[in-house]
Amino acid sequence: EIVMTQSPAILSVSPGERATLSCRASQNVNSNLAWFQQSPGQAPRLLIYAASARATGIPARFSGSGSGTEFTLTISGLQSEDFALYFCLQHNNWPLSFGGGTKVEIK
Amino acid sequence: EVQVVESGGGLVQSGGSLRLSCAASGFTFSSHEMIWVRQAPGKGLEWVSYISSSGESITYADSVRGRFTISRDNARNSLYLQMNSLRAEDTAVYYCVRDGRTAPGTFRRFDYWGPGTLVTVSS
Repeated sequence: EIVMTQSPAILSVSPGERATLSCRASQNVNSNLAWFQQSPGQAPRLLIYAASARATGIPARFSGSGSGTEFTLTISGLQSEDFALYFCLQHNNWPLSFGGGTKVEIK
Repeated sequence: EVQVVESGGGLVQSGGSLRLSCAASGFTFSSHEMIWVRQAPGKGLEWVSYISSSGESITYADSVRGRFTISRDNARNSLYLQMNSLRAEDTAVYYCVRDGRTAPGTFRRFDYWGPGTLVTVSS
């Protein structure tokens, strides 16, 4: 099973600043990596698929990069609705596996 | 509008059974692979099971293999998860999720999630 490790667990950022979230895979997942945002009480929402492709309707301030074992989600110019929980997911191998999440909170 | 909506959750005793359903609308259900994902209270996400568009290919997480059964009825635009021998650690919100890709070999994109249905297993 591929283990996905996200860091940091909590990220404190001021509105308008940039947030950089990391996701590391225990083995090569190529570009089979997605990022999701989850606000309290809501279902996750797809932000990024194929490591760097924005999903439909996702603002350009969200960008993904990386391949292999190291991935990054960057949120430029944080807005109030961006303070939430973020998960990465690898779908290169079964079983699919999620990272433990990064909570982006207001500094 | 694409929608997936789960139902069938509830309170059940340890060792009991539940059947979750997911009603899909707004897209050609028979063309899409589907998965179930769960989230225990205050915890992260855990993939549970996968089914191909035709239903011929299925896989499960080790934690549920032998106890849970995924199935689909493409004529009814519905996905199911039969859960038997339930344990306290199965307590979670269960999400039905569409894989948005429509051609093999393209990148998966788990693009539509239902609101979830809560399963609580009491010990």
